[in-house]
Amino acid sequence: SAVISQKPSRDICQRGTSLTIQCQVDSQVTMMFWYRQQPGQSLTLIATANQGSEATYESGFVIDKFPISRPNLTFSTLTVSNMSPEDSSIYLCSVLTSGGLDTGELFFGEGSRLTVL
Amino acid sequence: AQSVSQHNHHVILSEAASLELGCNYSYGGTVNLFWYVQYPGQHLQLLLKYFSGDPLVKGIKGFEAEFIKSKFSFNLRKPSVQWSDTAEYFCAVNARGYNKLIFGAGTRLAVHP
Repeated sequence: SAVISQKPSRDICQRGTSLTIQCQVDSQVTMMFWYRQQPGQSLTLIATANQGSEATYESGFVIDKFPISRPNLTFSTLTVSNMSPEDSSIYLCSVLTSGGLDTGELFFGEGSRLTVL
Repeated sequence: AQSVSQHNHHVILSEAASLELGCNYSYGGTVNLFWYVQYPGQHLQLLLKYFSGDPLVKGIKGFEAEFIKSKFSFNLRKPSVQWSDTAEYFCAVNARGYNKLIFGAGTRLAVHP
């Protein structure tokens, strides 16, 4: 298993500003992901955070809007840039501790609830 | 593209009632299937998963799910719910060999004492 800590747990931000969310895992993990859960909707994968290289983004998400860092095997950040009210969501960090989804499971942090005014 | 449909967005039951939450997916290849649960104020956690073998999968807290390949379904069941089962339930699928998990919209279950 893995214990995932996200900071901040919630924040209220002004339009046009940027916010960085941190994800810390208590053990080394093979893969880290960032998901978004918009109000009343399901979880959508934003990107896979790759250690030491650029993140792999899903369709509809771009690096300029959601820059991601992963400097080591236990830590990652997601920045939501130039925020608008449409970015109000819960942002979730998730990890695979061994292998891939064919053999393991995805663990989730408690999420960071972001409200943009 | 893969997608997951959960038929019920909100379900209200009394304690001891039986539960069945529907989940259908669209994908022509081999998949892994998951049910996640999120209790109020807590993080998402795995309830059960299907990779291969017996299509009837048993998970934690008395939950089970049955994979019916011909119907592209993976419905979640529990014979007798408890108040503590109040939570949001998410069905998810990934194509075998890929690590992208696709989630359904979720079902909010409220169990009344």
